[in-house]
Amino acid sequence: KAGVTQTPRYLIKTRGQQVTLSCSPISGHRSVSWYQQTPGQGLQFLFEYFSETQRNKGNFPGRFSGRQFSNSRSEMNVSTLELGDSALYLCASSEQGAQWDSPLHFGNGTRLTVT
Amino acid sequence: GQQLNQSPQSMFIQEGEDVSMNCTSSSIFNTWLWYKQDPGEGPVLLIALYKAGELTSNGRLTAQFGITRKDSFLNISASIPSDVGIYFCAGQRETGANNLFFGTGTRLTVIP
Repeated sequence: KAGVTQTPRYLIKTRGQQVTLSCSPISGHRSVSWYQQTPGQGLQFLFEYFSETQRNKGNFPGRFSGRQFSNSRSEMNVSTLELGDSALYLCASSEQGAQWDSPLHFGNGTRLTVT
Repeated sequence: GQQLNQSPQSMFIQEGEDVSMNCTSSSIFNTWLWYKQDPGEGPVLLIALYKAGELTSNGRLTAQFGITRKDSFLNISASIPSDVGIYFCAGQRETGANNLFFGTGTRLTVIP
């Protein structure tokens, strides 16, 4: 099976702009989660989508949003970019078929730089 | 956000040596996971632990889910150069909830 695919790999944006990141989960996986990774804060949970519905949300401002499509693909949007939004954004998918034996598998991330 | 306390922060070891790292939390978790991240890539799942006291192996890797459900450790035996990377523990509070809490990471360097 192909792994989690994220596009683009690298992105450079200017403060105030908005950005959309894309994630294709592993085939058959219905849950998609997004994480932000920075040197200072480490890996932090943004949100999770399952069957096109947001199921969990982390402690990030409303500028961070996402959605999931019927084919389980997901997009994440950040509006009014700030310098502190520079980070590696990781997408992860899981089956969620079983109650608990469904660990997360991560993509290689999108490196966002805000100037 | 909350992070798990992971130690040591970094390790420099000789090839062939065994490695041990651990993760502690003030909160109880239902699941403990260990990931490895190489530069420019996403974390790769190494071991998943689902029951308190569980001891699980994956090749040269062994991990345990602490009895108190507030800690976990990872051992790597007979280290090799490709073990270099950053190792993260992660805890999951609710079954089926994919909002993981991650440790601060252990950077492992293996000297040939």
